[in-house]
Amino acid sequence: ETGVTQTPRHLVMGMTNKKSLKCEQHLGHNAMYWYKQSAKKPLELMFVYSLEERVENNSVPSRFSPECPNSSHLFLHLHTLQPEDSALYLCASSQESVNTGELFFGEGSRLTVL
Amino acid sequence: TQLLEQSPQFLSIQEGENLTVYCNSSSVFSSLQWYRQEPGEGPVLLVTVVTGGEVKKLKRLTFQFGDARKDSSLHITAAQPGDTGLYLCAGVGRGGGFKTIFGAGTRLFVKA
Repeated sequence: ETGVTQTPRHLVMGMTNKKSLKCEQHLGHNAMYWYKQSAKKPLELMFVYSLEERVENNSVPSRFSPECPNSSHLFLHLHTLQPEDSALYLCASSQESVNTGELFFGEGSRLTVL
Repeated sequence: TQLLEQSPQFLSIQEGENLTVYCNSSSVFSSLQWYRQEPGEGPVLLVTVVTGGEVKKLKRLTFQFGDARKDSSLHITAAQPGDTGLYLCAGVGRGGGFKTIFGAGTRLFVKA
């Protein structure tokens, strides 16, 4: 098993669809993150969960809704998205007792909104 | 707002050449990380530097953290096609991973 697994790897959806991205980490970490990666832009932090509680939400539109049912799983629920939401969505985990903040990323979910 | 400027944005070189990528900020970081991302994959951590002036080597890659902990460089000696990828620097503030900001990346292409 790889450290952080994301599904699906590719997703195409219309603007009226509802879909979800899933992330699972097998590293025993206590924090999980969603990042958005667009071409030529820095990774944008969307949500952070620590011990299953959301600790940071960087003013993300409500059409993105995270869910963290336990320390190993993280979801990103999507609805009524816009074409500009097309991007690579990366999940990451870290162990927050180690203050160097090293992030372990999944392979990403490539989202295309038509 | 903290910013991390990476340069160059794109680099295309021949196999065997040397190169340096820079990462600069006006902010002080607790630590700084370099990641490499290959097409279709997520970023993979290469190194973390913590102490001002620190130098770390990973085979042909040399990483340096500035004395003031505001900047960093990545030097690759005798680049290989396998070094091709997107190199990302990430500055970590107090609060660990919660306070990590990323540069926009340097896309490196090494031609055989």
